[in-house]
Amino acid sequence: DGGITQSPKYLFRKEGQNVTLSCEQNLNHDAMYWYRQDPGQGLRLIYYSQIVNDFQKGDIAEGYSVSREKKESFPLTVTSAQKNPTAFYLCASSPAGARGYTFGSGTRLTVV
Amino acid sequence: AQSVAQPEDQVNVAEGNPLTVKCTYSVSGNPYLFWYVQYPNRGLQFLLKYITGDNLVKGSYGFEAEFNKSQTSFHLKKPSALVSDSALYFCAVRDGGGGADGLTFGKGTHLIIQP
Repeated sequence: DGGITQSPKYLFRKEGQNVTLSCEQNLNHDAMYWYRQDPGQGLRLIYYSQIVNDFQKGDIAEGYSVSREKKESFPLTVTSAQKNPTAFYLCASSPAGARGYTFGSGTRLTVV
Repeated sequence: AQSVAQPEDQVNVAEGNPLTVKCTYSVSGNPYLFWYVQYPNRGLQFLLKYITGDNLVKGSYGFEAEFNKSQTSFHLKKPSALVSDSALYFCAVRDGGGGADGLTFGKGTHLIIQP
C-alpha cells in the first residue's frame, strides 16, 4: 500500500540534544512538508521541499533543519537552538500542484 | 498571501442533529479548498476538496461542504451527526493561481457530538 510513514511515534529529547524525525513516502509525490502542531494553534509550516536537493523555510523554521537527498525521504532535525520543541510533528506529501496532502501519523516529541 | 479562519474553537451538537463547522478564506486567485479531520494522536485524514465545478462538494463519511465565492466561505456540513464524528476538523486553502508553499491551515475546530 502507498503511504507516508513517520517514525518514531514518540520521541524524548534531553535539553541540548539534537534529534531527527524520519518521514518516508512511497507515493511518488514531488513535494514534502513538515508541520508543527500545538494545542489551539493549528498547523504551522516548518519547512517544505518541492524537489530533491531543494527546500524552503516555512513560517517557523528557526531551530530546525531538513534535507531532501531522495525523493522518498524528508527528515527533520530539531536542533538545540529550538527552545520549545515539545509538540506534535506532522509530515505530509503531495503531487506537484498541491491539490491535496497525504499526512503521516505524526511524531510526538517531548523534552525531558 | 493566503489565510483561513475557523471562527469557532468548539462546536457542540446532539447526535442525530445537523452539524456545521465554519470556514472562511482569503486568497488572491482562485481558491483550492480542503477539509481534513484529525483523531487524537493521529495524522490528518482527507475529507473533501473543492478545486472547480459544482459548489456543493460531497466527501467521506457523509460530509459535504458548500463553496460560496461571494462570502469566501467553505463550511463543512453533515445532515445527521454521529458520536464517532467527534474530532478536530481543519479547513485549508491554497491559491490555485500559483505559489510554491502549499496549503495554509486554519487553527482547527473541535467537534463534539453528544449522545
